[in-house]
Amino acid sequence: DAKTTQPPSMDCAEGRAANLPCNHSTISGNEYVYWYRQIHSQGPQYIIHGLKNNETNEMASLIITEDRKSSTLILPHATLRDTAVYYCIVSPNMNRDDKIIFGKGTRLHILP
Amino acid sequence: KAGVTQTPRYLIKTRGQQVTLSCSPISGHRSVSWYQQTPGQGLQFLFEYFSETQRNKGNFPGRFSGRQFSNSRSEMNVSTLELGDSALYLCASSLGSGDTQYFGPGTRLTVL
Repeated sequence: DAKTTQPPSMDCAEGRAANLPCNHSTISGNEYVYWYRQIHSQGPQYIIHGLKNNETNEMASLIITEDRKSSTLILPHATLRDTAVYYCIVSPNMNRDDKIIFGKGTRLHILP
Repeated sequence: KAGVTQTPRYLIKTRGQQVTLSCSPISGHRSVSWYQQTPGQGLQFLFEYFSETQRNKGNFPGRFSGRQFSNSRSEMNVSTLELGDSALYLCASSLGSGDTQYFGPGTRLTVL
C-alpha cells in the first residue's frame, strides 16, 4: 500500500496558486517526500523533493510540516498545462531497499 | 542532455506471445527501474537494475523479467502474454539506486 494519502481530485482557477496536500503520517526519518506529475498517457515528470526543509525550484514549492506528517505542493501560478495527476511519494533517498509505491494521486483540473 | 528513451512506443501482440521492451537511460545514469501502469491498478513497480544487477523486485509473476547491459541500457521481457498485461510500461533512470528517478514516455502494449 502507498504510504501517502491525497485527495482524488482538485480544481484550481487559471492564474491562481494550486495547493496540493499530501498526508504521510508514517514517514520515517530517512524518507524523502517526492512529487511527480503525469499528463495524460505520458511518463511521470519529476517536480520536486525534500526531507524536512521547504524547497523551491522553477516549477513549484514544497512545504513540509515540522512533524513531517504532511506536505503541500504549491504551483504558484497555475496554467492549463498544469492539468495532470499529481503523485506524492515517500522514499528513502539513499540505498533504497523498499520499492517506490505510487498511490492514486490527485487529478488537478485547471479551470480557464 | 537527452532524456530517457523507450522503444517501441506502441506495440500490439496476441495472447501467448512474448515481448521485449527497451529503455535507454539518461547518459551517466546507472539505475533503471520499470513500472507497469493500468487504469485499475495505477503505477506498479516491476523491478530495478543497478550496475547490471537486479536490486529490487515488485510483486509480479516470473513471466516478467529484465536485464541491464554494461552501458546501463535495460530491457524487460514478458513471456506468454495475457490480456491483463495490456498496459503502459514505464522506465525510469536515476544516477544511482535511490536517487531521483526520471521517467521515459513509456511503451503502450496492447494484448489481443
